[in-house]
Amino acid sequence: AQKVTQAQTEISVVEKEDVTLDCVYETRDTTYYLFWYKQPPSGELVFLIRRNSFDEQNEISGRYSWNFQKSTSSFNFTITASQVVDSAVYFCALKGYSSASKIIFGSGTRLSIRP
Amino acid sequence: SAVISQKPSRDICQRGTSLTIQCQVDSQVTMMFWYRQQPGQSLTLIATANQGSEATYESGFVIDKFPISRPNLTFSTLTVSNMSPEDSSIYLCSVGGTGITEAFFGQGTRLTVV
Repeated sequence: AQKVTQAQTEISVVEKEDVTLDCVYETRDTTYYLFWYKQPPSGELVFLIRRNSFDEQNEISGRYSWNFQKSTSSFNFTITASQVVDSAVYFCALKGYSSASKIIFGSGTRLSIRP
Repeated sequence: SAVISQKPSRDICQRGTSLTIQCQVDSQVTMMFWYRQQPGQSLTLIATANQGSEATYESGFVIDKFPISRPNLTFSTLTVSNMSPEDSSIYLCSVGGTGITEAFFGQGTRLTVV
């Protein structure tokens, strides 16, 4: 069975602090995709990143970085120098390699950045 | 990446009525997915819609309550039937298929049932 766990329900930090959102997944597939999405109060789901299971290189995009550790089945997301606009709910998700596979979402982490 | 448009973006409906949500994609796709997100919750897959065949529903969702149409490779509709306040949610569509590895979503339909 596939499962995504985001143990942090809510996180609140002061602006400019760094913050890491944790994601742990379970799957029996040998190849799969991992995703992070941002959902602002408007409700839309904004795609942030996709990672293939065979590519364990960490990725950095501006203030965002992702740490993929296959050995611990984790795909953590760090925001450096957080800003108020980063306030949102963030979802980690898992999808099998097959095009017919559905996306399994974690429960989400609500991030609040205080000015 | 596919551009996905949903209509309406939001609606307030009376209980007992039905609402049809449209999802339009700017390219042909094999699969379209419909998700529900209840307030404060994560996303749950309702069904998968393939063109030319009956939609495949996930456990807990039935065709009578959530009928789906998929008339062509760029369009699908989800109807929420005989609505009750418990149906108040955000409904989102997504696409999949060969060569589509990004999981993009429409902007969602925020439904409130009163």
